[in-house]
Amino acid sequence: AQSVTQLDSQVPVFEEAPVELRCNYSSSVSVYLFWYVQYPNQGLQLLLKYTSAATLVKGINGFEAEFNKSQTSFHLRKPSVHISDTAEYFCAVSEGTDRGSTLGRLYFGRGTQLTVWP
Amino acid sequence: NAGVTQTPKFQVLKTGQSMTLQCAQDMNHNSMYWYRQDPGMGLRLIYYSASEGTTDKGEVPNGYNVSRLNKREFSLRLESAAPSQTSVYFCASSYSTGTSGNTIYFGEGSWLTVV
Repeated sequence: AQSVTQLDSQVPVFEEAPVELRCNYSSSVSVYLFWYVQYPNQGLQLLLKYTSAATLVKGINGFEAEFNKSQTSFHLRKPSVHISDTAEYFCAVSEGTDRGSTLGRLYFGRGTQLTVWP
Repeated sequence: NAGVTQTPKFQVLKTGQSMTLQCAQDMNHNSMYWYRQDPGMGLRLIYYSASEGTTDKGEVPNGYNVSRLNKREFSLRLESAAPSQTSVYFCASSYSTGTSGNTIYFGEGSWLTVV
């Protein structure tokens, strides 16, 4: 089974500062990677996903993430955060269909709470 | 755009009571999922249904049952609720589980407290 490690449980930053939320995954086989965002008392919303096209993936709300196969990482970045970016962010991975028994199910990290201060 | 709809949003149960969480999606998705979210644990898969008529266990199935009623609906039942089942439950759906990189869409969540 896959495992996903989000290296920071909480990341506090000031408004307009850059931010990086770190994510590492366990598998060296073909994988598909996702970042989801969860605002308070809401469900999860897809920010972006990597599916073996370009290694730099751009998502909604100015976020981007870079897939690094050698480091098995998929860190999320934003050059300038807003207070409205305060939320919990989840990294998730699914294995490719060449590992068909897993049927593309998602494995989630434990989440990173991003808090943006004015 | 309703997407994935769950009911109820909030529920308090006594230990030993039973209840069913309902979920429906209107995106014509084949696959549906139930996750639970606990503080510091991320989301853990309880059960999933790859297609109408099939269900499979996820990481934490004990104490739960599911029914894929039709293509739209996937319910989660707690037969005898325990305090350890206090959690936030999310229903989700996707076009399929077998397609690489398939996006999963989530409902708003159901907050369940077992006392």
